[in-house]
Amino acid sequence: EIVLTQSPATLSLSPGERATLSCRASQSVSSSLAWYQQKPGQAPRLLIYDASNRATGIPARFSGSGSGTDFTLTISSLEPEDFAVYYCQQRSSWPLTFGGGTKVEIK
Amino acid sequence: EVQLVESGGGLVQPGGSLRLSCAASGFAFSSYNMNWVRQAPGKGLEWVSHISTSSSNIHYADSVKGRFTISRDNAKNLLYLEMNSLRDEDTAVYYCARVAFDCWGQGALVTVSS
Repeated sequence: EIVLTQSPATLSLSPGERATLSCRASQSVSSSLAWYQQKPGQAPRLLIYDASNRATGIPARFSGSGSGTDFTLTISSLEPEDFAVYYCQQRSSWPLTFGGGTKVEIK
Repeated sequence: EVQLVESGGGLVQPGGSLRLSCAASGFAFSSYNMNWVRQAPGKGLEWVSHISTSSSNIHYADSVKGRFTISRDNAKNLLYLEMNSLRDEDTAVYYCARVAFDCWGQGALVTVSS
């Protein structure tokens, strides 16, 4: 099973600041990595697939990068609605696995 | 509008059974592989199971293998998750999601408790 480790667990930032979230895989997943945003009481929302492709309707301030074992989700300038929990997921091999999440909170 | 709606959640005793359903609309359900994902209270996401369009290819998480069964009825646009021998640790919100995880249901709460 591929283990995904997300860091930091919590990121305290102000609106307008840049957020950089990390996801590290225990073995290579090539580019088969996705990022999700989840707000309290809501289902997750797909942000990025295949490491760097924005899903439909996702604003350009969200970008993904990386391949192999190290991946990054960047939010260029935080909007009030971006404060949420973010998860990475690998789709390279079964079982599919998620990282433990990074909470982006208002400083 | 693409939509997934789960139903069938509720309170069940340890060792009991429950069947979740996921009704799909707004897209060609029979052309999409589907997944179940769960989230325990206050915890992260856990993938549970996957089924291909023709039900010929099925995968489970080790934590549910042998206890849960995924199935689908393409004629009725329905996805199912049959859950047996339920344990306390199966308590979670269960989501159905399309293969690319670009569409999720609102979730169904399953509580396993005596």
